[in-house]
Amino acid sequence: NAGVMQNPRHLVRRRGQEARLRCSPMKGHSHVYWYRQLPEEGLKFMVYLQKENIIDESGMPKERFSAEFPKEGPSILRIQQVVRGDSAAYFCASSPGVGYGYTFGSGTRLTVV
Amino acid sequence: AQTVTQSQPEMSVQEAETVTLSCTYDTSENNYYLFWYKQPPSRQMILVIRQEAYKQQNATENRFSVNFQKAAKSFSLKISDSQLGDTAMYFCAFIKTQGGSEKLVFGKGMKLTVNP
Repeated sequence: NAGVMQNPRHLVRRRGQEARLRCSPMKGHSHVYWYRQLPEEGLKFMVYLQKENIIDESGMPKERFSAEFPKEGPSILRIQQVVRGDSAAYFCASSPGVGYGYTFGSGTRLTVV
Repeated sequence: AQTVTQSQPEMSVQEAETVTLSCTYDTSENNYYLFWYKQPPSRQMILVIRQEAYKQQNATENRFSVNFQKAAKSFSLKISDSQLGDTAMYFCAFIKTQGGSEKLVFGKGMKLTVNP
C-alpha cells in the first residue's frame, strides 16, 4: 500500500498562473481532505470530499479555489490566478470513514513568485 | 465552538527522559475522537496516537501514551525514553462533526527538541 500520494512535491508558479495539486488516497479510502499549512502554523481545513461529491468546503476561499474527487483518478485542488499569499504547504489526507484518523500525504509546497 | 489549545509553543528534553505535552479542547459533543500527530523536519504528518472519548482507558503506543481527562477536556501526550528522532512539531487534533461532515481540527502545535 503506497499510502497517500501527492504530486508535485514542489510547485512554483508566477502570479496569475494556475496551480493544480493532485492527491491519490490510500487504497480503500473513500474520504479525502485538503489542508493548508502556513509557515510556523498548524494545518487549516479546506475541503472534505467523497467520490464525486463535495461534503464540506467551509474552509475554502470563495474565489479562485476549487476541488474535485472524480469517480476515476486523483483528487485535484485547483487554484486559479495565484497570488503570493497562496504560498503554503498543501496537504491531502484520506480515511476509510469517520473517526479512524487521517493518513496524510507528504504535501505540496506551493511557491508563488 | 470546538477548539484545540496547545499552550506550550516549545519544549526541550534530554535524550532518554520523559516529557509531557499538554492539550485542552472544547466541545459540546459526548462522543468524539482525539489524536496526536507528529511533523518532523521532513514535513510528513505522522499519526502518533488516537483516543476514542467513550473509552476510559488511556491509549498507548509503545513509548507514547496519553492522559485523557474527559471531564477536564484534557488530552496530554507522554513520551517516555525520548529519542533524537522524536524531535518534531507535535499537533493535538480533534475530530469535529457537524451536519454530516467531519474534519480534523488542529491545535497550533508545539516544537519538541530532544537533545543528546
